Amino acid sequence: ELKVEQNPLFLSMQEGKNYTIYCNYSTTSDRLYWYRQDPGKSLESLFVLLSNGAVKQEGRLMASLDTKARLSTLHITAAVHDLSATYFCAAHSTSGNTPLVFGKGTRLSVIA
Amino acid sequence: KAGVTQTPRYLIKTRGQQVTLSCSPISGHRSVSWYQQTPGQGLQFLFEYFSETQRNKGNFPGRFSGRQFSNSRSEMNVSTLELGDSALYLCASSLEPRAGNTIYFGEGSWLTVV
Repeated sequence: ELKVEQNPLFLSMQEGKNYTIYCNYSTTSDRLYWYRQDPGKSLESLFVLLSNGAVKQEGRLMASLDTKARLSTLHITAAVHDLSATYFCAAHSTSGNTPLVFGKGTRLSVIA
Repeated sequence: KAGVTQTPRYLIKTRGQQVTLSCSPISGHRSVSWYQQTPGQGLQFLFEYFSETQRNKGNFPGRFSGRQFSNSRSEMNVSTLELGDSALYLCASSLEPRAGNTIYFGEGSWLTVV
């Protein structure tokens, strides 16, 4: 059974600093998704990573996937307050007809 | 283009009642999934449908059911509501299941059971 673990679960960072959110998954996966959720809102798709070594960047966010290590990272560069939100990673297992499994989310707070 | 549309957005029900939630996927999307989100359990998978067929069902009691229509619209039903069913119910759509396409989420239906 695929399990997805994120860390940290809570992150308070200063504006202008860099940080990385880690997403580990327990079985082989070939599809890794990152989402952002603002309080009281739905999930906004950020990245879809489909192959080992995939790297995608959008603004101050960069996501990467290492399927051998079963690890995806979401790197935040020079954080700004607008990035405050909860970030989720989710994965599909390569084995069987299994649904998308989500991590518990990382609540990010960017402070001045 | 229009996104994933969920109705109703907010609803309050009494224990023992039943509720039906509706989801209209993005035009052309045939895969629809449902998730329950609560502060304690996070995002938990409920159902996945593709071309009117249920492909997957999460670990929820039989009170939770769903279906997909020929136009890809989907509904889920919860019968004999319990306080613990209070949650945000999210619908997601994509072109096909597990194809690596972006999966888009609707705004959700906030259910409060009193």
